[in-house]
Amino acid sequence: NAGVTQTPKFQVLKTGQSMTLQCAQDMNHNSMYWYRQDPGMGLRLIYYSASEGTTDKGEVPNGYNVSRLNKREFSLRLESAAPSQTSVYFCASRELTGGSYEQYFGPGTRLTVT
Amino acid sequence: QKEVEQNSGPLSVPEGAIASLNCTYSDRGSQSFFWYRQYSGKSPELIMFIYSNGDKEDGRFTAQLNKASQYVSLLIRDSQPSDSATYLCAANNAGNMLTFGGGTRLMVKP
Repeated sequence: NAGVTQTPKFQVLKTGQSMTLQCAQDMNHNSMYWYRQDPGMGLRLIYYSASEGTTDKGEVPNGYNVSRLNKREFSLRLESAAPSQTSVYFCASRELTGGSYEQYFGPGTRLTVT
Repeated sequence: QKEVEQNSGPLSVPEGAIASLNCTYSDRGSQSFFWYRQYSGKSPELIMFIYSNGDKEDGRFTAQLNKASQYVSLLIRDSQPSDSATYLCAANNAGNMLTFGGGTRLMVKP
């Protein structure tokens, strides 16, 4: 049981390049989330998927797209990277039934855009 | 405007003391609250959650919630150097999204 996994762990991009961050969970959770974390800003929600087949914008969606490929996988795409997207990206999953409500985080992807 | 506010710190306490971490929130519709611990370079991990007014204890940790004052706190008794980390407060809003505060950095000095 690996929990939430993310790839890659580190990435350096040049301005204008594109890339996809991959996330997978093996806990059979319905809901999945992408956050970015910048110094002093806490975690800010980029996009989320309440269930397979649905995606919605969070607090800071501009410059990103997402795909909920199946129940396990939720990817985040940067179409044209900008230096302002330099951040640590966390994927998370959560089950909103059963009373637990705990949100589990992946190990993060450190992205630098030059 | 951030909906969950925390003092960024650092909060420095001596080993063995009680560390008190505070959080305020603006959304009165928030029903449950979470405390996460995050070590430098690592992902957040859940310490406790609380949804009823009053205190909830788990080992050395006590979460306190006052919905009238829109205030949540985390007390860490017998603080250890290994407790040194950033503590994130999160509120679960009506849409079941977690809104996080900016975090408080705690330093426990031996």
